[in-house]
Amino acid sequence: GAVVSQHPSRVICKSGTSVKIECRSLDFQATTMFWYRQFPKQSLMLMATSNEGSKATYEQGVEKDKFLINHASLTLSTLTVTSAHPEDSSFYICSAIEGAGTGELFFGEGSRLTVL
Amino acid sequence: QQQVKQSPQSLIVQKGGISIINCAYENTAFDYFPWYQQFPGKGPALLIAIRPDVSEKKEGRFTISFNKSAKQFSLHIMDSQPGDSATYFCAASYSGNTPLVFGKGTRLSVIA
Repeated sequence: GAVVSQHPSRVICKSGTSVKIECRSLDFQATTMFWYRQFPKQSLMLMATSNEGSKATYEQGVEKDKFLINHASLTLSTLTVTSAHPEDSSFYICSAIEGAGTGELFFGEGSRLTVL
Repeated sequence: QQQVKQSPQSLIVQKGGISIINCAYENTAFDYFPWYQQFPGKGPALLIAIRPDVSEKKEGRFTISFNKSAKQFSLHIMDSQPGDSATYFCAASYSGNTPLVFGKGTRLSVIA
């Protein structure tokens, strides 16, 4: 199946710093990628839809200036958590659609962010 | 408004038994219904998926049953094994590059 790679898998940072998480589709081109956030023992909540070459579309309640998303190529999308605070500590997961409009999503392994 | 309702929240099944997880959706525009399996600290992995043109899909020990009129679909895990212990999420979306809407998840524990 399609492979989506996320990096880093774990990151610990100090409050006030910025953290960048990369999401790569390794064996296919992804015009659309999605970023989800998952708190412990909860479901995945969609944060934003990332489209290659255009601005990301954020879900209601997600601060676009805090969670910067860049989708500069067909295989890479990045999420930057700016001025991170302890409440931003979470599991961030990206996903990408294989093919055009098939609806089949493949997920990365996730990135666990801990803000001290 | 929760678009995909999943139950039960947790499930304990004896080894060799059948695990059944149910989901109901509201948006009749949904036409893609996947199930994902997630182990702690890992991203979700696609298990099996179905589209509304069929009522059942089977892959190995995993079966999806789909009832379009009732707007419900379920996952059946036959001959459940301890290795199946994980959190399972149902989801739904509609055609095009649209994101998945997830259920709240079911934590399955298969005990020997």
